[in-house]
Amino acid sequence: IAGITQAPTSQILAAGRRMTLRCTQDMRHNALYWYRQDLGLGLRLIHYSTTAGTTGKGEVPDGYSVSRANTDDFPLTLASAVPSQTSVYFCASSEGQGASPLHFGNGTRLTVT
Amino acid sequence: GQNIDQPTEMTATEGAIVQINCTYQTSGFNGLFWYQQHAGEAPTFLSYNVLDGLEEKGRFSSFLSRSKGYSYLLLKELQMKDSASYLCAVRDSDYKLSFGAGTTVTVRA
Repeated sequence: IAGITQAPTSQILAAGRRMTLRCTQDMRHNALYWYRQDLGLGLRLIHYSTTAGTTGKGEVPDGYSVSRANTDDFPLTLASAVPSQTSVYFCASSEGQGASPLHFGNGTRLTVT
Repeated sequence: GQNIDQPTEMTATEGAIVQINCTYQTSGFNGLFWYQQHAGEAPTFLSYNVLDGLEEKGRFSSFLSRSKGYSYLLLKELQMKDSASYLCAVRDSDYKLSFGAGTTVTVRA
């Protein structure tokens, strides 16, 4: 089934540890996004990429980094996790601008202790 | 930046109609989206408006007024499975999509 695959599904991480959340798409969409979702705050954009080789900062980029070496993979790295990064993380893709909606992966639930 | 407001919660009876309002202030506008999100699941796309007016898709309709920075999602003939969060999102002048905090709709028998 075409779509976005995120891994892991959930993770408990000690503060100060490094963690990479994986995102892989098979729809060949140009744009990929990372959002975090917190109760009462909704979905907030962390980083995005409009095409392979380019990335941009979203609303809440601090503490996170991304890379886009190819079309299909868009990993999100937490260099040194802190408890405030406890959240549900969604990777999403779209064909581009205009009417093209975001297609979301199933999310990664991350708890930083 | 974006400022997107929608009510936190709404409750309605099975078979009834519910209207979820969304107001926005954005630095650019390239369309407004509505998403549905069931608890513990990913958001799924419902509708898209870029021009003023009403877009109808079965039991769901979405309206946009760009001059007022206003949209609503209308859910008709409510079913129990419609209990979910509904997210209003605005695409700004480039690729980015900003979301409101979401409206939790509870459908009661």
